[in-house]
Parts: sequence; structure tokens; C-alpha cells
Amino acid sequence: GESVGLHLPTLSVQEGDNSIINCAYSNSASDYFIWYKQESGKGPQFIIDIRSNMDKRQGQRVTVLLNKTVKHLSLQIAATQPGDSAVYFCAENGGRLGSGTYKYIFGTGTRLKVLA
Amino acid sequence: EAGVTQFPSHSVIEKGQTVTLRCDPISGHDNLYWYRRVMGKEIKFLLHFVKESKQDESGMPNNRFLAERTGGTYSTLKVQPAELEDSGVYFCASRRTSGANEQFFGPGTRLTVL
Repeated sequence: GESVGLHLPTLSVQEGDNSIINCAYSNSASDYFIWYKQESGKGPQFIIDIRSNMDKRQGQRVTVLLNKTVKHLSLQIAATQPGDSAVYFCAENGGRLGSGTYKYIFGTGTRLKVLA
Repeated sequence: EAGVTQFPSHSVIEKGQTVTLRCDPISGHDNLYWYRRVMGKEIKFLLHFVKESKQDESGMPNNRFLAERTGGTYSTLKVQPAELEDSGVYFCASRRTSGANEQFFGPGTRLTVL
């Protein structure tokens, strides 16, 4: 079946540096993508999303880039802080286009470790 | 506003027993989703409610799993009888009505089947 995967299971970054977390997806028809952050003992927390008609979207300290040609999604975190340490999941909308279902297909996750 | 809540936070049962997980979505959210993450694998979709109706239950693994959302408010997910491979973390998420994309996740219920 279709799936979303992650290139790196663990990423270690020095505090203050920028982090880039990558994700590959397989369904070229997906119209919506999301990044979630999950801290220990908590559920996934929404970070940022992007629709397929966009290439880039910026939030507070985070940027999501979408490359539909190679089916690649990335999350950039500027000036990484200790509080950014968590597992990050990318997900795509696995629902039928226009159905409004929005059932997410998740990747396996990347653990971000921020080094002091 | 209060977030999505799930009960219990942890459950340890023996193979063959029954367990019922509960999810209380954010008030006013018509859409409710169940997902689960088994050890070492990705979070997988189980099913989707719109109010009290099952919109999509394509992710339910087998007929040992029964989800309900009577009245369109809270939802329960019952596993009967539980098997070892059912161990994992079960997440619930809710979303507002159409036009809103973001799903808000609860903290999850960690289920261990011995």
C-alpha cells in the first residue's frame, strides 16, 4: 500500500543551529501534508501543514517545503532549542480527494535531539 | 478550550480479555478519528466518525475491534478478545467540521496485552 517514510530515524543538532527533517511520500495524488511533533507521554501536536498547490509555507521558526516532482517533504526548524527535542512525524492525507475524510498516513518518525 | 482526552492512559490485560478505550473529543468537533501505533511502526489510521456515523473504517484490523460513538460525542473502542499483537498506543483525534484540516490528538492509551 501507499506509505510515507522518513530518511533519518535520529537527528542530533546543536542548540541554536537549524534542523532539517526529511520525509518521502509515495502517493503523488496526495493533496495535503502535515508535520506533527510528539513529546514523550503526549499525543502528536500539530506544527504546520501545506497543501499540494504550494511549495513552501512558513510558520513561527518552522518552514515546510514540498517538492512534488520527487515527492519529498521537509521541515526546517530555525534556531533549534532544547524544547524542540521530540519525535517528528510527517503525514499525508490518505482520504479520497474531495471526500473530506482526512485520514492521515504517517511516517515512522524522526527523533530530534538538541545538544546543549 | 479543553483538548482531546483519552481514558485510561495505560491498560495492561491478559490475552483473551476485553478492554474498552474511551475518547472525548474537543467539544463541537464532529469528526473523530482512531489511530494506533504498534511497537516500532508508524501511526496507522483505524477509523473515522462524522458525528455518530462511521465515515471510514477501512483501517480496522479485524472484527475483534468495535468502535462506537453513540450520540456523536465521546467514542469507545473495544477490543474483544485481545491478542498479543494488539499491544500499542491508541490515539484519538478530533477535527472541526468541513473546511478545517487540523486534527487534534489526545495523549493516547498505551495498551499492553500479556
